[in-house]
Amino acid sequence: DTAVSQTPKYLVTQMGNDKSIKCEQNLGHDTMYWYKQDSKKFLKIMFSYNNKELIINETVPNRFSPKSPDKAHLNLHINSLELGDSAVYFCASSQRTDGNTIYFGEGSWLTVV
Amino acid sequence: AQSVTQLDSHVSVSEGTPVLLRCNYSSSYSPSLFWYVQHPNKGLQLLLKYTSAATLVKGINGFEAEFKKSETSFHLTKPSAHMSDAAEYFCVVRGPYSGGYNKLIFGAGTRLAVHP
Repeated sequence: DTAVSQTPKYLVTQMGNDKSIKCEQNLGHDTMYWYKQDSKKFLKIMFSYNNKELIINETVPNRFSPKSPDKAHLNLHINSLELGDSAVYFCASSQRTDGNTIYFGEGSWLTVV
Repeated sequence: AQSVTQLDSHVSVSEGTPVLLRCNYSSSYSPSLFWYVQHPNKGLQLLLKYTSAATLVKGINGFEAEFKKSETSFHLTKPSAHMSDAAEYFCVVRGPYSGGYNKLIFGAGTRLAVHP
């Protein structure tokens, strides 16, 4: 069983569209994250949720809206997609908020055309 | 502020030869340090972590890293490279606790190529 799974793995969409990426973890962790990896492979955190509550938002445009229906799921919705949103988005989870041992999903490759 | 610098963006080795991926860190307190690996079109996998226990840390797939406080380094090594080691490697430091969270700060990555 995949510990952190995210769908879709690949997504190609036009500018202006709205899209969602779903993430689920079966590790029983309390904390989940979204990271963005740009074309230069640089990874940066976007959001972190602990027990369904937002605990970090790293100056991400408000077109990005995470939603956590329960502590095992953290979905990412993106409105009005722009070319610069093209990136790989990684979902991750950890047992606590101390960032010790974070488990990553396999990534979702988003291409905006 | 915490930061990591990966000194090489690309490293190329022959199969069977040693691997050295260099990482220097900056931290105002005793850091927690990690190495993650990303294979092509795959997610990130934790190779090993240092959390102020033994300074020589052994990880998966034969990798190890040594924490050297005097040199502020956490270099990743492997005695003998395998073709399957070809991937992107990220050195990571855990940032300070702030806003209910310890943020992970990633280095820019080192692309390891392994040649037959």
